[in-house]
Amino acid sequence: QVQLVQSGAEVKKPGASVKVSCKASGYTFTNYDISWVRQAPGQGLEWMGWISVYNGNTNYAQKLQGRVTMTTETSTSTAYMEMRSLRSDDTAVYYCARGDYGSGTYYLDYWGQGTLVTVSS
Amino acid sequence: SSELTQDPAVSVALGQTVRITCQGDSLRSYYASWYQQKPGQAPVLVIYGKNNRPSGIPDRFSGSSSGNTASLTITGAQAEDEADYYCNSRDSSGNHLLFGGGTKLTVL
Repeated sequence: QVQLVQSGAEVKKPGASVKVSCKASGYTFTNYDISWVRQAPGQGLEWMGWISVYNGNTNYAQKLQGRVTMTTETSTSTAYMEMRSLRSDDTAVYYCARGDYGSGTYYLDYWGQGTLVTVSS
Repeated sequence: SSELTQDPAVSVALGQTVRITCQGDSLRSYYASWYQQKPGQAPVLVIYGKNNRPSGIPDRFSGSSSGNTASLTITGAQAEDEADYYCNSRDSSGNHLLFGGGTKLTVL
């Protein structure tokens, strides 16, 4: 069965960086994109960006450009999201999700369990 | 516009039908997908495309679209359907994804 298993919770100080991993199993890793979505406490979902695992192309949300980098390691079927210059408002649960195309849309059909990143001095 | 707009909260009586809507210019070009999220859990895809349900999603969930509005309908709402629901589509450029602000569904 398809699974996305994320790394554990992180606590970081303002200005630091964090790297969250997302290990995929149960499908051919290079056949699908990976999107990253975050959710601040009590807030809605925010799309951060996606990466084509096939060719490494990325597309990031404008507000995060320059602070976020998404990569993949096909040998281990793992996706990574690194965020730099962390601020307190980056405190959120970060999700990875598998992206697929079909039926006239792009959708996120499997999600990781989420990784809580807390930014606090 | 680069936004998807949802009503913040909707309620429905147990067993009745409820429609949750999502408005945005990008929906004239792309179908929405819909996600259910219960407290402390990751979102779950419930509808994608014109009206497609992933395996395991009950057939009481259906989707539709007209103009700049996408709708998620739950026919015969159950207590376990109480959750937050988010719509999602590409933006008008096709290069980014958008999420609506979410609708909190209460089943009375």
